[in-house]
Amino acid sequence: EPEVTQTPSHQVTQMGQEVILRCVPISNHLYFYWYRQILGQKVEFLVSFYNNEISEKSEIFDDQFSVERPDGSNFTLKIRSTKLEDSAMYFCASSGAGGPGNEQFFGPGTRLTVL
Amino acid sequence: DAKTTQPTSMDCAEGRAANLPCNHSTISGNEYVYWYRQIHSQGPQYIIHGLKNNETNEMASLIITEDRKSSTLILPHATLRDTAVYYCIVPSGGYQKVTFGIGTKLQVIP
Repeated sequence: EPEVTQTPSHQVTQMGQEVILRCVPISNHLYFYWYRQILGQKVEFLVSFYNNEISEKSEIFDDQFSVERPDGSNFTLKIRSTKLEDSAMYFCASSGAGGPGNEQFFGPGTRLTVL
Repeated sequence: DAKTTQPTSMDCAEGRAANLPCNHSTISGNEYVYWYRQIHSQGPQYIIHGLKNNETNEMASLIITEDRKSSTLILPHATLRDTAVYYCIVPSGGYQKVTFGIGTKLQVIP
């Protein structure tokens, strides 16, 4: 069964460093998403991406964040200068379409720890 | 997204049916009801969705009331692996995102 994969499973970084979280969405999907979950809190939407551009983003997704689909299979989230409060699980998701009746498939997540 | 209300937690005996309720009284006519779950430390997992009719798949059944103001997710034979937080979601707008609430923490008891 096709699945969304994410690497690395755990990333530890120093405050102020740049990190890139990687995702391989399901191969025939067209819509891609990033979410995050701070420990003990709700899963929060960050950004959606379609047709090589951002289609929606939340207030969390500020200038420190960027997304890219560098090739036909990868989808990345870059945090330019990490802060302590960026420590969280980051989930990538993909869906076949963006309309109603199209479920999102989530990856296992990357745990980001900022020291 | 339309507001949904779910109980904070529920218990269910292993092997019995787990019935998870959700109220969505402000749902509009073209909005779907989605259910996802999150097993501890894992990514959220899609379970099922529906518009008006009851739906069933290999994981669960979804019963939507005739007025569409509430729904029930049914796990017919709950196992210990079904212990998770279950989210009832009614997305609106462009369906571009899933907005997770607090959900219902289901504990399946041996």
